[in-house]
Amino acid sequence: DQQVKQNSPSLSVQEGRISILNCDYTNSMFDYFLWYKKYPAEGPTFLISISSIKDKNEDGRFTVFLNKSAKHLSLHIVPSQPGDSAVYFCAASATLRAAGNKLTFGGGTRVLVKP
Amino acid sequence: DAMVIQNPRYQVTQFGKPVTLSCSQTLNHNVMYWYQQKSSQAPKLLFHYYDKDFNNEADTPDNFQSRRPNTSFCFLDIRSPGLGDAAMYLCATSRGDRVYEQYFGPGTRLTVT
Repeated sequence: DQQVKQNSPSLSVQEGRISILNCDYTNSMFDYFLWYKKYPAEGPTFLISISSIKDKNEDGRFTVFLNKSAKHLSLHIVPSQPGDSAVYFCAASATLRAAGNKLTFGGGTRVLVKP
Repeated sequence: DAMVIQNPRYQVTQFGKPVTLSCSQTLNHNVMYWYQQKSSQAPKLLFHYYDKDFNNEADTPDNFQSRRPNTSFCFLDIRSPGLGDAAMYLCATSRGDRVYEQYFGPGTRLTVT
């Protein structure tokens, strides 16, 4: 049972345009969401996060939107740059320790930003 | 710089020959995790240590074991690697009060011949 899903395995966007990555989840216990970025041969690096008490969090070119009623979050990258080309993972956590200290990852979306 | 270090970056082992992967951290985080990631898939949590408490995921095969001799180091032992165990193994750490913010090492790519 995949509790976190990224339905688009890949995305291609022109440099300077907006990249929109989507993520859906099913577990209503999740209350903290993160996006990680992964380059080939490297571990995932933390990009941006959002708590369920918010519906938007912005950090420079990156904005994460959370729609709790739809159990959906998205990552917007504006403007997209060639260095943003990577695999992006959505992850979710239920922050109560009783929930097991886990991050549950989506399958990833490969983003290619064309110059 | 505080970081998570994994050695080696690439490991080749033979079918059935025990192998150990290592992870160290300078972040002084009390939680350490091991993930397995196969190509184009999500990282899959194998187990984690919360301080000295070992927490195994229900679907982690017995073939996979872990040791954490101190706060800084954690090892992943694969007792009898099979061809299906070829994967990227990622170590991550977090603070105990912020387990949702995990810091990953660069990973060890394991090849089984």
